[in-house]
Amino acid sequence: GEDVEQSLFLSVREGDSSVINCTYTDSSSTYLYWYKQEPGAGLQLLTYIFSNMDMKQDQRLTVLLKKQDKHLSLRIADTQTGDSAIYFCAESPGSARQLTFGSGTQLTVLP
Amino acid sequence: KAGVTQTPRYLIKTRGQQVTLSCSPISGHRSVSWYQQTPGQGLQFLFEYFSETQRNKGNFPGRFSGRQFSNSRSEMNVSTLELGDSALYLCASTGGGRASTDTQYFGPGTRLTVL
Repeated sequence: GEDVEQSLFLSVREGDSSVINCTYTDSSSTYLYWYKQEPGAGLQLLTYIFSNMDMKQDQRLTVLLKKQDKHLSLRIADTQTGDSAIYFCAESPGSARQLTFGSGTQLTVLP
Repeated sequence: KAGVTQTPRYLIKTRGQQVTLSCSPISGHRSVSWYQQTPGQGLQFLFEYFSETQRNKGNFPGRFSGRQFSNSRSEMNVSTLELGDSALYLCASTGGGRASTDTQYFGPGTRLTVL
């Protein structure tokens, strides 16, 4: 069955880098996504990566994919207090608009 | 372009009642998916509609249903509400095609509280 796992909490100091990790089990996963959710809000798409890629960089965000380990990570450079939120990893087989989400990682940025 | 809109933003109902939530996708998007978010179960896929047809369905009881109109707007209905239906219901839209760049954009959600 499909399963996506994330650690629940992460705290970092402002200005440091944050690394949020995710593992998935569905070998047919074609697309992997990172979403951000702020309190009381919906989900904001941050970035995505295709399973045939190893890395994708988008401004302060770097996504690394180790497909053999089914491991995905999101690195946020120069983390700011505005980055405090819940970050969700999600996967899709690509054949349908049906995302399977992890439980979310609560990122707290300390001043 | 306007984003995904959902109405109402907040709802309070009592057990046994039914509720209808509405979602308007991004202009030009033809696929609408619905998700339920609860503290206990996290984010779970309910169903997806494309061109007025349900294309995929998650593992939810028949009390949860949906439909899509010719303008791509979608509604979901929950009948005979239970306390456990209290959740944030999120709607997401995509172009609906099979293109590799097709990604889901989410609305702000409807917060349903069942008393």
